[in-house]
Amino acid sequence: DTAVSQTPKYLVTQMGNDKSIKCEQNLGHDTMYWYKQDSKKFLKIMFSYNNKELIINETVPNRFSPKSPDKAHLNLHINSLELGDSAVYFCASSQDEVLGYTFGSGTRLTVV
Amino acid sequence: AQSVTQLGSHVSVSEGALVLLRCNYSSSVPPYLFWYVQYPNQGLQLLLKYTSAATLVKGINGFEAEFKKSETSFHLTKPSAHMSDAAEYFCAVNSGNTGKLIFGQGTTLQVKP
Repeated sequence: DTAVSQTPKYLVTQMGNDKSIKCEQNLGHDTMYWYKQDSKKFLKIMFSYNNKELIINETVPNRFSPKSPDKAHLNLHINSLELGDSAVYFCASSQDEVLGYTFGSGTRLTVV
Repeated sequence: AQSVTQLGSHVSVSEGALVLLRCNYSSSVPPYLFWYVQYPNQGLQLLLKYTSAATLVKGINGFEAEFKKSETSFHLTKPSAHMSDAAEYFCAVNSGNTGKLIFGQGTTLQVKP
């Protein structure tokens, strides 16, 4: 009965590989987000989708491509992984900006 | 543009002592303000939120925060710290109609026995 679930929880991969992180929410929220938390624990938004439509696209390398097949899913695909991509990636969802976000438990990506 | 500043990246208190985590915000429109807690290797959990109703907001686990417009502050307090409160705390402001949540740098709370 997890509200926002991400898979995998841990991902270790070599430079240059392509990987995907999946996110699903069962809260019926219209909006989903991807955040990146760096090694200093700073959180920065990457993307936001509202009902499958991209509404926020921060300054993120083109190697990152979100995909939302339906409003309950928002996946993140990363091409040609670099060392600097190592971070914890959080998926979140919300129904209304007043209510705040519900976060997933994160995916720790390590690029070696 | 909205922004959040958390004063003190690391706060250490003794068990049973008052917890005070500071947050100041900048916003050109009335803000929605949030405090989140992150336990080790976990996601972020909402502690409390200010949405222009009561200025004193009560949250989970005995935490509360007071919105002070004149000081542009939203400090988080708890009267008596427990060991289980040790975690990373984030203050956040909503960026108006984009729904984008902007986070402060985080404050690590250490609770000593």
